[in-house]
Amino acid sequence: QVQLQQSGPELVKPGASVRISCKASGYTFTSYYIHWVKQRPGQGLEWIGWIYPGNVNTKYNEKFKGKATLTADKSSSTAYMQLSSLTSEDSAVYFCARDYGSSYLAYWGQGTLVTVSA
Amino acid sequence: DIQMTQSPASLSASVGETVTITCRASENIYSYLAWYQQKQGKSPQLLVYNAKTLAEGVPSRFSGSGSGTQFSLKINSLQPEDFGSYYCQHHYGTPLTFGAGTKLELK
Repeated sequence: QVQLQQSGPELVKPGASVRISCKASGYTFTSYYIHWVKQRPGQGLEWIGWIYPGNVNTKYNEKFKGKATLTADKSSSTAYMQLSSLTSEDSAVYFCARDYGSSYLAYWGQGTLVTVSA
Repeated sequence: DIQMTQSPASLSASVGETVTITCRASENIYSYLAWYQQKQGKSPQLLVYNAKTLAEGVPSRFSGSGSGTQFSLKINSLQPEDFGSYYCQHHYGTPLTFGAGTKLELK
């Protein structure tokens, strides 16, 4: 079965960077897009971007260009998102999700809580 | 960017009732519309894609309809496990955008 296992919660200082991982299993990692979605506490969902592990092409929401960097390691079937120059506005749960061919998100990771605090 | 306007923002209903949530797109998205359910503290779960196709394992009391700019999600005979938040999302190009959500609460 398809599973996306994300890394654990992070407490980071303002101005620092953090890298979140999303390990995929149960399917061919290089054949499907991995998307990243942000959810601030009590708020809605915001799409950050996608990466296609097959050729490591990426597409970003303009809002997150310069903030998020998406990468993937085919050898370990793991996708990564690095967030840089963190502020309190970046405190949120971040989800990875796999689409099913047309950018609807069929499988989701459990989410990673990032807290930015001094 | 395509704006997704969802209503109502919140909804109180009883077990056994039928409810409808609507979603309007700021431009024509054909049938590229998905619905998700999210329980508190959990990740969203896909319910419907392509406006009306139920995802695997989703009960038949859920149904999606609409095309173009107007869409709806109907839940017949509400069950206790149906309470939570619901989001629409267009999947017609990027950036993907979501509605602000509908919180379905037990009356």
